[in-house]
Amino acid sequence: TQLLEQSPQFLSIQEGENLTVYCNSSSVFSSLQWYRQEPGEGPVLLVTVVTGGEVKKLKRLTFQFGDARKDSSLHITAAQPGDTGLYLCAGLRDNTDKLIFGTGTRLQVFP
Amino acid sequence: GAVVSQHPSRVICKSGTSVKIECRSLDFQATTMFWYRQFPKQSLMLMATSNEGSKATYEQGVEKDKFLINHASLTLSTLTVTSAHPEDSSFYICSARDIMFYGYTFGSGTRLTVV
Repeated sequence: TQLLEQSPQFLSIQEGENLTVYCNSSSVFSSLQWYRQEPGEGPVLLVTVVTGGEVKKLKRLTFQFGDARKDSSLHITAAQPGDTGLYLCAGLRDNTDKLIFGTGTRLQVFP
Repeated sequence: GAVVSQHPSRVICKSGTSVKIECRSLDFQATTMFWYRQFPKQSLMLMATSNEGSKATYEQGVEKDKFLINHASLTLSTLTVTSAHPEDSSFYICSARDIMFYGYTFGSGTRLTVV
């Protein structure tokens, strides 16, 4: 059973479009991280959210942590081909240091 | 920033042989390191948690005799895939947690192919 479900699983869009990726769970997380992974590489951290309801912005990327700390979203404005990659959410449960990854969203942005 | 070096990046081995993968934290100390496995077009699945100076903790379904983990120092953890079979072919990624800060840093992964 996957603790963190991401949707959509695949997303193929044109340059300039907006998109939102969702990360949902029935469990509460003390913090949640978003990563981007290129083929053949390890994941690279984009952001960490800790407080329920928290919103963080990183240029064209906006991250939100749900009020109940069970879900998160990543919104990309005006997507560019350089945004192409595998986006992964990862959560930390209370009293553990194990980072559990979501199912992943593969994004392809066409010029 | 924190850097984790993982070697080798790619290895091909014959069925029945063993392969060792190294994970080093280059500029920070890591009391805890994590090993993940990733199948093509899938997410990362946690295999085990490695603590310096103690036995690794394996996730359910991961064979501890197949995947030997050693964390001998604060900067080095190794994963040895013993008696490898083609079904062990995968992308293995390590991660290290900085004892001073909250962050997790990932290695660049090892592509293992067993023929």
